[in-house]
Amino acid sequence: NAGVMQNPRHLVRRRGQEARLRCSPMKGHSHVYWYRQLPEEGLKFMVYLQKENIIDESGMPKERFSAEFPKEGPSILRIQQVVRGDSAAYFCASSPLRQEAFSGANVLTFGAGSRLTVL
Amino acid sequence: GENVEQHPSTLSVQEGDSAVIKCTYSDSASNYFPWYKQELGKRPQLIIDIRSNVGEKKDQRIAVTLNKTAKHFSLHITETQPEDSAVYFCAARGRDDKIIFGKGTRLHILP
Repeated sequence: NAGVMQNPRHLVRRRGQEARLRCSPMKGHSHVYWYRQLPEEGLKFMVYLQKENIIDESGMPKERFSAEFPKEGPSILRIQQVVRGDSAAYFCASSPLRQEAFSGANVLTFGAGSRLTVL
Repeated sequence: GENVEQHPSTLSVQEGDSAVIKCTYSDSASNYFPWYKQELGKRPQLIIDIRSNVGEKKDQRIAVTLNKTAKHFSLHITETQPEDSAVYFCAARGRDDKIIFGKGTRLHILP
């Protein structure tokens, strides 16, 4: 079981460029969460998706940020026209189906994170 | 939506002593409360969790308690060791299935 896979691990972009972060959930997990972590700070919820459906994007800035989880392939967090304030670690986490909530399974498993630096 | 408050933000304890971290949540329908440990530069790792149908859970030196009436839950680490130094996050899953985290507690174990 490869766990939650994120890439790239490190990404450097200049202001105005686009950043694309990818996340493949754990095998058997159908839901993906994205969190942003600024240095020395907590995990801020951004968006929660299942395949082909955004369940909740209330934590995501309305402009420049978008997320998708297509039928085939990884979930992608896209940041357009990056600014210095976007520099952060972006963590993806995956979880199983809702009805497994009361099983013994680990509900939320994190990837290693993608560290975005905007110059 | 759910809101999670965590205290203290920083905690220093002598090696061998106990550490307690407290969290409160706002959504009375929240049903799942995990705790994560994050070491510097690493991903958050689940250390213990508790569901709303249970009041207390223990795993070796780590225990978590849940008070649904007061909407608060706590992490207890006994006989602390140097490797317990890390940032600890509490979280709660609300009725909308979103998992919201507290701001974290930086735990320092002093020699």
